[in-house]
Amino acid sequence: AQKVTQAQTEISVVEKEDVTLDCVYETRDTTYYLFWYKQPPSGELVFLIRRNSFDEQNEISGRYSWNFQKSTSSFNFTITASQVVDSAVYFCALKAAGNKLTFGGGTRVLVKP
Amino acid sequence: EAGVAQSPRYKIIEKRQSVAFWCNPISGHATLYWYQQILGQGPKLLIQFQNNGVVDDSQLPKDRFSAERLKGVDSTLKIQPAKLEDSAVYLCASSPNRGMNTEAFFGQGTRLTVV
Repeated sequence: AQKVTQAQTEISVVEKEDVTLDCVYETRDTTYYLFWYKQPPSGELVFLIRRNSFDEQNEISGRYSWNFQKSTSSFNFTITASQVVDSAVYFCALKAAGNKLTFGGGTRVLVKP
Repeated sequence: EAGVAQSPRYKIIEKRQSVAFWCNPISGHATLYWYQQILGQGPKLLIQFQNNGVVDDSQLPKDRFSAERLKGVDSTLKIQPAKLEDSAVYLCASSPNRGMNTEAFFGQGTRLTVV
């Protein structure tokens, strides 16, 4: 069975602060992919980043960076120098055998000006 | 490229009535998902199609929910009869193939309110 846990329900920051979102996953499969999605107030889920289970190299893409640690089953996501437009709900998701895409409960990020 | 289209955007019905949602995935996308997102929660997978075949419907309440994907393109999700707890946003998503590395593209969803 697949499970994704996002322990933080809401984070509030002031603009230009960094925001780190935690994600812990469970799967028995050795091959899987992890994703982060953003859901703005409009409601549409927008894909942000992906990482496969064989590549633990952390990456940076613009203001986004992610830290994948297989040993602790964690896939944390950081927004650097947050902006008001980053206010949204962020979901971590796992895709493993059968290609079922399982989401966590989401973390609401509020960036205040 | 056109995105995933869903209709209607909003629907209000009384309990015990029936309702249907429609989804048109991105052209050429073989995999189609229907998710239920209750307010304040993450999306929960209801059913996954690969072309016009069902891959996973383990979390679909089959006594009242049904879904089909005719000709492997458009899909409809039906609820009959609706219950109060069915109030949620129903999201449709599609992806190009069945590979794990492909992300899913989501529509704007249909917000259902059952009163």
